[in-house]
Amino acid sequence: AQKVTQAQTEISVVEKEDVTLDCVYETRDTTYYLFWYKQPPSGELVFLIRRNSFDEQNEISGRYSWNFQKSTSSFNFTITASQVVDSAVYFCALSGQERASGSRLTFGEGTQLTVNP
Amino acid sequence: GAVVSQHPSRVICKSGTSVKIECRSLDFQATTMFWYRQFPKKSLMLMATSNEGSKATYEQGVEKDKFLINHASLTLSTLTVTSAHPEDSSFYICSASTGGSNQPQHFGDGTRLSIL
Repeated sequence: AQKVTQAQTEISVVEKEDVTLDCVYETRDTTYYLFWYKQPPSGELVFLIRRNSFDEQNEISGRYSWNFQKSTSSFNFTITASQVVDSAVYFCALSGQERASGSRLTFGEGTQLTVNP
Repeated sequence: GAVVSQHPSRVICKSGTSVKIECRSLDFQATTMFWYRQFPKKSLMLMATSNEGSKATYEQGVEKDKFLINHASLTLSTLTVTSAHPEDSSFYICSASTGGSNQPQHFGDGTRLSIL
């Protein structure tokens, strides 16, 4: 069975602070994929990043960076110099070697990030 | 790219009504579409997986006769909530994928369903 844990239910920071959202996963698959999605108050889910289990390189995209550590089964997400527009719920998700026609995503419970001005 | 359109965005209707929600992939062919339900301040709960031209696969505890899913083409899937009751009120989100566990799911904007 697959499981994704986002232990931080809510985080509140002041603008320009750096913030890290934690994600820990469990899977028996040797090949799997990790994702982060953003859900702003309007409700839509926005895809942020996909990482496969064979690529442990950290990734940076603007103010966003991701740290994938297979040894600790973690895929943490850091926002540098946070802005009010970053306020949203962030979901970490995992897919494994499911049937070829498309794989189920296992979502974490989400972390509500509030960035105060 | 990878735009998914979900319609309607909001529905308010009386108990006993059936409600149809459409999910369209606008610029890609979606081999697989997924339907989720989300309660306030909760995560997404997968309801069913739908593959074009075949019957949907429902998650345990989801009533097939209550939530009818049709995936008639590679760009359209519909979810019909039949004889809706107040407990069916929720946020329903669809997603579409070109297939394979390495492909991200692209989500629609969601439908907020309120049953009076």
